[in-house]
Order: sequence, then structure tokens, then C-alpha cells
Amino acid sequence: NAGVMQNPRHLVRRRGQEARLRCSPMKGHSHVYWYRQLPEEGLKFMVYLQKENIIDESGMPKERFSAEFPKEGPSILRIQQVVRGDSAAYFCASSHDIKARETQYFGPGTRLLVL
Amino acid sequence: EDKVVQSPLSLVVHEGDTVTLNCSYEVTNFRSLLWYKQEKKAPTFLFMLTSSGIEKKSGRLSSILDKKELSSILNITATQTGDSAIYLCAVSRDDKIIFGKGTRLHILP
Repeated sequence: NAGVMQNPRHLVRRRGQEARLRCSPMKGHSHVYWYRQLPEEGLKFMVYLQKENIIDESGMPKERFSAEFPKEGPSILRIQQVVRGDSAAYFCASSHDIKARETQYFGPGTRLLVL
Repeated sequence: EDKVVQSPLSLVVHEGDTVTLNCSYEVTNFRSLLWYKQEKKAPTFLFMLTSSGIEKKSGRLSSILDKKELSSILNITATQTGDSAIYLCAVSRDDKIIFGKGTRLHILP
């Protein structure tokens, strides 16, 4: 399957724990975008990364959230000291380059539940 | 602040009906307007619209952009139960894509 892969698909954490969400872009894609979707809401942009670089993190909360896209391996969205309000679906998307970002391909999402 | 507003937020119709979903936007540095269909998983791309007045069609789905009115509509004719989903409108600007909250469409058999 050459599509965007995300894991885990479901993640349960207790308040105060850390959540690590992984995203492997489509083959040949070097641009990754993370979105958060709260219940009854649309997708909200969080961060845009290229390999080893954060290009735009304007949608990401300043505290507890971080993202990386290393030279090797998947992109990681990390949420430290999770709170109940972090419960949401987190989607990753990838594109071939910046000019093709309108045709982002989405992964299946990770549904995070904070107890 | 940039925003994308969709209406209605939810819609229930019978199979065979035609539906029109609306999207309006206030976004600086507009590049294109996008429609996605989201079932219980990842959004899937439907249309990208960049030019006003040019209808895009895919089977029973069609969409058109009105840049003067800053809006777009998505039409679905002869709806089927498989059309039940959340339809997301999004606007691409120079640096990011901004999504609306979606329209939840439910088709009754």
C-alpha cells in the first residue's frame, strides 16, 4: 500500500502521559501536514514540515505539542502531558511538493482519547 | 481572520433527491477552493476549483466557484446511500489550507 500510513489508528492515554503519533507519507512525497479534527469540527491545520525542517507551525499550540520529520523515518507529532481537550482525530497528509499541496493525500488518522 | 463557512451543517434527504451544499470564504491570498468527502476515515479529494464559473463534474457530483461572491456550491444529483458522508470545503492560500466545519449529509434509503 503506497498510501499515507498513520499509526497507531487508536490511542488511549491518561491525563499527563505522552502521546506519539506517526505518519509515513506516500512514496516520493517530502511534504507532510498535520491536522486536528475535533468532534463536529472541520480539519484544523497544525503544522507543515519538509524533511528535517518545520516550515509552518502556526496552527500548533505553543506548549506541549511538537512535530518532527527526520531525514529517515516517519514524521512524529508528539503531545506531552496530554489533557482531555487533546482528544481528537489527528490526520496527516502528504504532497509531492509545495506547488502540489492542494492535492494532499490524507492518511486514515489517529484517534486519540485522553481519559 | 481567514474563514471558510459551510451550510447547512447537516442535511437529511431521501435517496434520489438532489442536494446543494454551500461554501463561502474570506481568505487572503486565495489560490484555490477544494472539496473533500469524508466517511469514517480520511478525507478523499473531490474537486479543485481555481477559475470562476467553470463547472467541474464527476459522475453525479458537480461543483462551481464564484470568486465575485466568494463562494462555491457542490451539487449531488440522484443521491444514493453511499453518498452519506461529511463534505468538507477548504481554501488553499499561499501557505496553508483552511477547512470549513463540513456538511454532514445523510441519505435515507
